[in-house]
Formats: sequence, C-alpha cells, structure tokens
Amino acid sequence: SSELTQDPAVSVAVGQTVRITCRGDSLRRHYASWYQQRPGQAPVLVIDATNNRPLGIPDRFSGSSSGDTGSLTITGAQAEDEADYYCNSRDSGGNHRVFGGGTKLTVL
Amino acid sequence: EVHLLESGGNLVQPGGSLRLSCAASGFTFSNYAMSWVRQAPGKGLEWVAMISADGDRTYYANSVEGRLTISRDNSKSVLYLQMNRLRAEDTAVYYCAKERWELLGGNWFYYGMDVWGQGTTVAVSS
Repeated sequence: SSELTQDPAVSVAVGQTVRITCRGDSLRRHYASWYQQRPGQAPVLVIDATNNRPLGIPDRFSGSSSGDTGSLTITGAQAEDEADYYCNSRDSGGNHRVFGGGTKLTVL
Repeated sequence: EVHLLESGGNLVQPGGSLRLSCAASGFTFSNYAMSWVRQAPGKGLEWVAMISADGDRTYYANSVEGRLTISRDNSKSVLYLQMNRLRAEDTAVYYCAKERWELLGGNWFYYGMDVWGQGTTVAVSS
C-alpha cells in the first residue's frame, strides 16, 4: 500500500500536549519523518525517521512509532507551532516516497 | 549554508512543456539523492519523483510517469524536472528536496527530506 493516513485537523491549547498520528501499512517496514509547513512557506523537517530532531528544532517536538503508526508529539505547544504537519515515508516497495494528507494544527 | 533554489516555473498551456531547475549549494550535491515534491493550491504535499545520487536510478509517482522526467548534472550541482504533456492537474508549487540516507546496521536507512527549496510555481491553463 502507498497510503499514509492523517487526521485532517487537530487543536490544542497553548502549553498543552498534542499528538498527531500517521497510519499506513508501509510504516510496518519503514519509518515516518515529519514536516512542519507554515502558510506560504516551504516544509521544514522537524522529526526524522529515527525520531530525532534536526538542529534548531525545539525539544518540545518528539516522534515515536508502533506497528503501522507513527506519531509526532508536541509537549507544551506554542502559538508558533500552528501549522500544517505532514508525515512521509517510503512506500511498501521501498522505491517510492509517500506523504500523508496532512494535519492542520490549531493552537488555541 | 545548505541551500536549494528552484527556478523555471511559469504559466503554460495544456499539452505544453516546461523545465524546472534546482540549484544546490553548501553541500556535496553528488553524494545525495534528490526528490521533487509538489503542492497543488490548497492541497497537501505530493511526492513526484526521485533520483539517486549518481543519477542511475529514477522513480516516479504514477500520476506523472511517462510525462515528467527527473535528471541531474552533478558537475553543475543542478537538479532538473522536464515536464511534458502538461495537464491542468499539474498546477502546483514544485519543491526540490535533498534526501538524507545513512548506513545503519549495514543497511541504507532513509531519514527523510532534510533540506527544501522555496518552490517554483507552475500553472497549466489555457
């Protein structure tokens, strides 16, 4: 299968914790990376497929995986975290890439 | 500083052609696989194509197979996307992205796309 499924929208109050999930058969063999995209900007990698943060990404962002699901957790969400978040992985065959449909995060 | 800069986006008629370029700087371009990713207006990210570091292997999304061709010139540190027989549904912002791969436990592991350009806009309309 080449699909990754994300909830279309999630909301969180400032300072609270939110988890964004990504589900797909390919995640049983490959791992998800996560991207933040603010309006009018290019995507930015926030969690790589080893669940580590690139340099410059705040430590409130973390990743995890279990079975066919990958998760991005923001612990203590800030107003500037309001954005679209996408997961990405290799497809089941390994040669293609696939993105989830994206989750719009609203910080209240 | 690692940087990707796309160019070549334009308004083109259905059935027309266009070539996008992505100029890389700040890293050894010939060591990294690259991808093109697009985003239609108001929609999510869609992977389009990838090319291996040496250019020997290419893979395409089903939606573009046979019409779009990814290539690279490692001597110039430039990635290309040749777009032929364009359709209205190809209208999107096109991003180039650097892929990160590393050897883990004897196998190559895909970390994700760690550097993105700012995008170039392709509009297909009559």
